[in-house]
Amino acid sequence: AAGVIQSPRHLIKEKRETATLKCYPIPRHDTVYWYQQGPGQDPQFLISFYEKMQSDKGSIPDRFSAQQFSDYHSELNMSSLELGDSALYFCASSLGLLNLGNTIYFGEGSWLTVV
Amino acid sequence: AQKVTQAQTEISVVEKEDVTLDCVYETRDTTYYLFWYKQPPSGELVFLIRRNSFDEQNEISGRYSWNFQKSTSSFNFTITASQVVDSAVYFCALSEATGNQFYFGTGTSLTVIP
Repeated sequence: AAGVIQSPRHLIKEKRETATLKCYPIPRHDTVYWYQQGPGQDPQFLISFYEKMQSDKGSIPDRFSAQQFSDYHSELNMSSLELGDSALYFCASSLGLLNLGNTIYFGEGSWLTVV
Repeated sequence: AQKVTQAQTEISVVEKEDVTLDCVYETRDTTYYLFWYKQPPSGELVFLIRRNSFDEQNEISGRYSWNFQKSTSSFNFTITASQVVDSAVYFCALSEATGNQFYFGTGTSLTVIP
């Protein structure tokens, strides 16, 4: 079965540079989530989209932005990168919102290293 | 306040031993959903199970079993006859009917020693 596809899988950027992560949800899934997971930590919610509209916002820095496109794929744009942005970034998708008990399926993650 | 608590930070067991990972949750909703995810060293988050608050029936899937007890707000996960491939970080998570948030516990790192 098709899963959530994230690209790139690994990314190395220098401080103050910009990075873009892409996410292709499971086919027919209309909700996309972005999470950031630092070393030894649990995933922290950044932002979510439902039917191409922002649904919820978590601890996403102002330097980051995201959107969901007409084909439901999503992109997370990160600017003015800092060393502390080095983390594993997950995209996840679900069919419908969480308050209906839907399951979130995660991609394999994108490893971002800022040097 | 942490909505999902996994008190065990790290557990080590010898292969073939049984191991139980604890998860305690906190919610005021009467309708909520509980999840377990596995994160092996390669990093991906793998969905294991979802449980509805109105279904307290325990579930078994191969060597995995889950014990949901509303009276103690717990949703524990047991691996029987553990194997080296079970070594991973396991996350318990909660979502509620009144919101669109997904709350992770802090995870339990399980190491199975051959």
